[in-house]
Amino acid sequence: QKEVEQNSGPLSVPEGAIASLNCTYSDRGSQSFFWYRQYSGKSPELIMFIYSNGDKEDGRFTAQLNKASQYVSLLIRDSQPSDSATYLCAAQNYGGATNKLIFGTGTLLAVQP
Amino acid sequence: NAGVTQTPKFQVLKTGQSMTLQCAQDMNHNSMYWYRQDPGMGLRLIYYSASEGTTDKGEVPNGYNVSRLNKREFSLRLESAAPSQTSVYFCASSESEVTQYFGPGTRLTVL
Repeated sequence: QKEVEQNSGPLSVPEGAIASLNCTYSDRGSQSFFWYRQYSGKSPELIMFIYSNGDKEDGRFTAQLNKASQYVSLLIRDSQPSDSATYLCAAQNYGGATNKLIFGTGTLLAVQP
Repeated sequence: NAGVTQTPKFQVLKTGQSMTLQCAQDMNHNSMYWYRQDPGMGLRLIYYSASEGTTDKGEVPNGYNVSRLNKREFSLRLESAAPSQTSVYFCASSESEVTQYFGPGTRLTVL
């Protein structure tokens, strides 16, 4: 079982709707969580990170973390066609000397105009 | 600032050939990483370097070697390429505990 699980999608939403992307993790030692966006043929870029239970908002993006349920989500409000990409969830477990991330396989989001 | 750069962008090898993927960063980061990305498998860590002079294995190190040449450069070597190593390879670097910056990737095909 992969340590970070995501539904591969595609998740299709109409333009202007809220897109909800979900991620679960198995390692209770994971302390920080990251959402990366990856356009087709491009490299991943960081959208948000969260390490406290609850919600964290940044513009149209809201990350949610529930450590008891081992669940992380990313909400995208007012979805735009330019949001169409693969969204990667990653978990970090502090315990070593560096920032090692475990990535999920990603969810493909398609925003329909 | 160029950020993280990788060479080459594309490469085709025959089984058994060797090659080195180059990565450099100009952000003065201590930590550098090599990942491979395969369909349905996500990003998997091959090797990482927490600081100049140190390297450690990640999730899938078999068939690869790395060299942290200096603070800027971190290379990945395939000594005897196999078709199973056909993948997209990303280099990344980070300073804080928060953000890893990724290079543009190298698309490698092993025939």
